Amino acid sequence: SQQGEEDPQALSIQEGENATMNCSYKTSINNLQWYRQNSGRGLVHLILIRSNEREKHSGRLRVTLDTSKKSSSLLITASRAADTASYFCATDGGGGADGLTFGKGTHLIIQP
Amino acid sequence: SAVISQKPSRDICQRGTSLTIQCQVDSQVTMMFWYRQQPGQSLTLIATANQGSEATYESGFVIDKFPISRPNLTFSTLTVSNMSPEDSSIYLCSVGVAGRDQPQHFGDGTRLSIL
Repeated sequence: SQQGEEDPQALSIQEGENATMNCSYKTSINNLQWYRQNSGRGLVHLILIRSNEREKHSGRLRVTLDTSKKSSSLLITASRAADTASYFCATDGGGGADGLTFGKGTHLIIQP
Repeated sequence: SAVISQKPSRDICQRGTSLTIQCQVDSQVTMMFWYRQQPGQSLTLIATANQGSEATYESGFVIDKFPISRPNLTFSTLTVSNMSPEDSSIYLCSVGVAGRDQPQHFGDGTRLSIL
């Protein structure tokens, strides 16, 4: 399987600062997706970036993808206390017909 | 995006028993998947639920332990059989559309504790 690795595993920053999380994966992909999980509940889809895209924005989120390095990053700008959660990257190698392979996740804590 | 309802949201069960988790989506979807999230860990795919046929299981997961049904395009069940404390996890269903570059959407999960 193409289990991804994320770093850091945990990140604690002050409210208003930017948070950057990184993800690496092992095999070719169709797309890479980022999810947020609050307190062990369901996952909320944040953003999808296709294999032929290099950067994508959505509100305060910025995602980059480097397929040559098999890595992606998620930047959250101007963080808020409500951003406290676990963030996971997940790769789709099957064009939607297969399940996702998840990274280990980053637990983000925003201190007020 | 589709609205996904998963029941129960949590349960505490005795070892040796079985529990069936239901996943209902409000629109017809091509793909339904089941994942397990062990305490403090990431998500691992258990199987793809196929409509009207046997589910496709990932390595390390077997039908006898995790039987799955999908009678139609909007409903699926996952049974955790003969439970042991090691089965204590969050179980999540997700839905997607076959085809390139579509996000998967997840239910709220079922938090299962085995005593």
